Amino acid sequence: DGGITQSPKYLFRKEGQNVTLSCEQNLNHDAMYWYRQDPGQGLRLIYYSQIVNDFQKGDIAEGYSVSREKKESFPLTVTSAQKNPTAFYLCASTTGSLMNTEAFFGQGTRLTVV
Amino acid sequence: GENVEQHPSTLSVQEGDSAVIKCTYSDSASNYFPWYKQELGKRPQLIIDIRSNVGEKKDQRIAVTLNKTAKHFSLHITETQPEDSAVYFCAAGSNAGGTSYGKLTFGQGTILTVHP
Repeated sequence: DGGITQSPKYLFRKEGQNVTLSCEQNLNHDAMYWYRQDPGQGLRLIYYSQIVNDFQKGDIAEGYSVSREKKESFPLTVTSAQKNPTAFYLCASTTGSLMNTEAFFGQGTRLTVV
Repeated sequence: GENVEQHPSTLSVQEGDSAVIKCTYSDSASNYFPWYKQELGKRPQLIIDIRSNVGEKKDQRIAVTLNKTAKHFSLHITETQPEDSAVYFCAAGSNAGGTSYGKLTFGQGTILTVHP
């Protein structure tokens, strides 16, 4: 069953901690993305990767880091430098560029700072 | 960079009525305009998209119109049903800073509620 899987579904972080959100896809898609969703603000792009071992900053990259060691995996680390990390995080993938192809989303991870 | 504005933020209709959601964008180079539907607790899913060489596209009860001159596009849902209740996002696709890579900029979302 092909798809894109995010884990965990819910994540709690203490102040000052780094946490890593997992994103795995078996769709053989080249490009992967991380979005942050806040109420009333739509989806904002954090980081994206078009190929293995390469990634680019999106619109709100500060306080986040990523890696792309495998085509199937694109984990996102929320660092202690991210001052307001509580949000819903969505991972997505596409066969080609986001300019003209459908993005397939994971189920999301809801991160809460406690 | 691209900026996408979406209105209204909430929309309430009676079952069987039509619903219209409008978006404007700022980058004249944008040429791909998808719409995503996100049901409560679920992932966003593509429902329809349009490219800049087309003015209108229909798929059963859903249609999208694009006015490139005015830089706006709209989603039209006819004969609404309770299962149409969800958050709808518009987006505009454009080149990211002169690279071959493209990016999507999303609108703020519209919460559509269809009352039985």
